[in-house]
This record gives sequence, C-alpha cells and structure tokens, in this order.
Amino acid sequence: QSVLTQPPSASGTPGQRVTISCSGGSSNIESNYVYWYRQFPGTAPKLLIYMNSQRPSGVPDRFSGSKSGTSASLAISGLRSEDEGDYYCVAWDDSLSAPAFGGGTELTVL
Amino acid sequence: QVQLVQSGAEVKKPGASVKVSCKASGYTFNSYEINWVRQATGQGLEWMGWMNPNSGNTGYAQRFQGRVVMTRNITISTAYMELNSLTSEDTAVYFCARLAGDSGWTAWGQGTLVTVSS
Repeated sequence: QSVLTQPPSASGTPGQRVTISCSGGSSNIESNYVYWYRQFPGTAPKLLIYMNSQRPSGVPDRFSGSKSGTSASLAISGLRSEDEGDYYCVAWDDSLSAPAFGGGTELTVL
Repeated sequence: QVQLVQSGAEVKKPGASVKVSCKASGYTFNSYEINWVRQATGQGLEWMGWMNPNSGNTGYAQRFQGRVVMTRNITISTAYMELNSLTSEDTAVYFCARLAGDSGWTAWGQGTLVTVSS
C-alpha cells in the first residue's frame, strides 16, 4: 500500500482537461515539495513537475501542478493521445526519511 | 546531453547477489546524488537509497538496510548498486536516477531487469 494516495485510473477525451489527485499527510505533502513523473510502458519515468508547480524546460504548459495542505494535484489541459501513460506523485516523507510515492494513475485518452 | 546508461539484464538464483552499474555522461558526475528506484512488473515505484558520488556517503531505505550497497568509481563516472540475498520478490526493473536537489530526479537510466528464479 502506497503512502500517497492516487486514483488508479483517469480518463478524458482529446482537448479535455483532466486532474489527477495525490493525497498524503503532514509528514510528506504538507511539509515538503511534491513532484510528478510520467512513465510510458517499458521506459523510465520522466519528470513533469518539481517543487509543487514548476515545469522543467521542455514540458508543455498544458501540464500544471498545485498543492494545498496535505493534497496535491496534476492538471493536464488540452488532452492529447500521447499523454496516455502512468503518472506518479512523490514527496519526501519526514517520518520515513525517504521519498513517499503514490501508487500511480493510469491515464487513458478515449 | 545528460545520460545515464545502465548495465544489461540479469538472471540470478535465489540467495545470489546482483550488481547493476549506471554510467553517467554529459555532466560532472561528482555534482549530483545518484538514487536507485525499482519497479516490479505491473507495480509502482520503490525507492532504494542514495549515494553521493563526491563523498561516497550513502543512505538506504530501511527495508533494504543490510542487503544493499551503493558505490561508485569516479574515474569512470559510474555508480553501482549491489543487492544481496536475492529472493523472487526482488525481481524488478532497477533504475538509477540523478537527483538535482529540489529539482527532483531529472535524469534516469533506461532500467535494468533483474530476474530472480531457481
């Protein structure tokens, strides 16, 4: 069972806006930065969002991150078929002295 | 460009050890921590620990304490992760990742499949 809670799946149609939630607690999300990674089958994860809401260069501004209290979310606007994949949230956990992961959300573009 | 290239797939018997390498290029190897993350088939990501290439200092996730060793060879910009006393539950893809401080894991190796089977 993952420390951070994500919905196992999400879906949307092309052009839609989709939000993926990530719920944690005071020892992780509330007190530390949240990161989002996307992973395609058979490949390594790739950083999408760092420090709650920052985008690395090369990541389209269709992707945005936010955090409030013990929860965070990733929003994808203008959904495209190539956005399909698995999305993971990560935050350092002070109690574990280790990164805490969400279980991943499989995004399907219908 | 920044690149992490890992060693190839391994098949090991229960009780054996495996050593996975991660060769860095495109940046100063000493300047960034290397973390190791694994993923069992169809499962999520699991953090194993970190290694500071400059000092050699390491930190391991509690569940791997005593069973994992992370080292490096600075002269060839390569990090290593050795996991001992393998069981079938260690069958997974193992990734190395470069930690760029608060910017997160900004570069990843391609992954190394380790299969533990009798």
